[in-house]
Amino acid sequence: AQKVTQAQTEISVVEKEDVTLDCVYETRDTTYYLFWYKQPPSGELVFLIRRNSFDEQNEISGRYSWNFQKSTSSFNFTITASQVVDSAVYFCALSYNNNDMRFGAGTRLTVKP
Amino acid sequence: DGGITQSPKYLFRKEGQNVTLSCEQNLNHDAMYWYRQDPGQGLRLIYYSQIVNDFQKGDIAEGYSVSREKKESFPLTVTSAQKNPTAFYLCASSIDVGGSYNEQFFGPGTRLTVL
Repeated sequence: AQKVTQAQTEISVVEKEDVTLDCVYETRDTTYYLFWYKQPPSGELVFLIRRNSFDEQNEISGRYSWNFQKSTSSFNFTITASQVVDSAVYFCALSYNNNDMRFGAGTRLTVKP
Repeated sequence: DGGITQSPKYLFRKEGQNVTLSCEQNLNHDAMYWYRQDPGQGLRLIYYSQIVNDFQKGDIAEGYSVSREKKESFPLTVTSAQKNPTAFYLCASSIDVGGSYNEQFFGPGTRLTVL
């Protein structure tokens, strides 16, 4: 079965704290892609990152970083020095063919000033 | 600016009525998708289309219909057969090059409420 689990339903932090959003996936395919999207209150999903199954290098983009570990089937997302503007729902997704993307249930992050 | 537009932003429907949600993209993307989002849940795929005049059912296609007469347009009709249509509907598109697993770009969504 192809499945994405985001066990953290809601997280609340105070501004400038670091926060990690967990994502665990299940797939029998050897070729797949993992994604993270941000959904701010406006509702539109914003693409953050795409990572293929053959590239386990961690990635850093400004305050954002991603840790991909195939051994634990995880693709976790860390925000360093969080800001109020980071408040949103974050979705992890798995694509194992070009037209089927499986989304996790999402994690609602609230960053308080 | 290139992007995806959805209209209307809010839509109210009486029970028993069909309603059509609009989705237009000017990104020249081949593939388009419709998702449904319910509170506290992830997105679930309703329909997708890879080329004009062709579309495929997703996981929850019952009670919905689509058409793809033009590359840039992919309207979704919520029919009276859909038993619980109140939800947030998101349209997306992507470049469809075989095996490339491209990211999807999303529109701002339509919130449908059945009265």
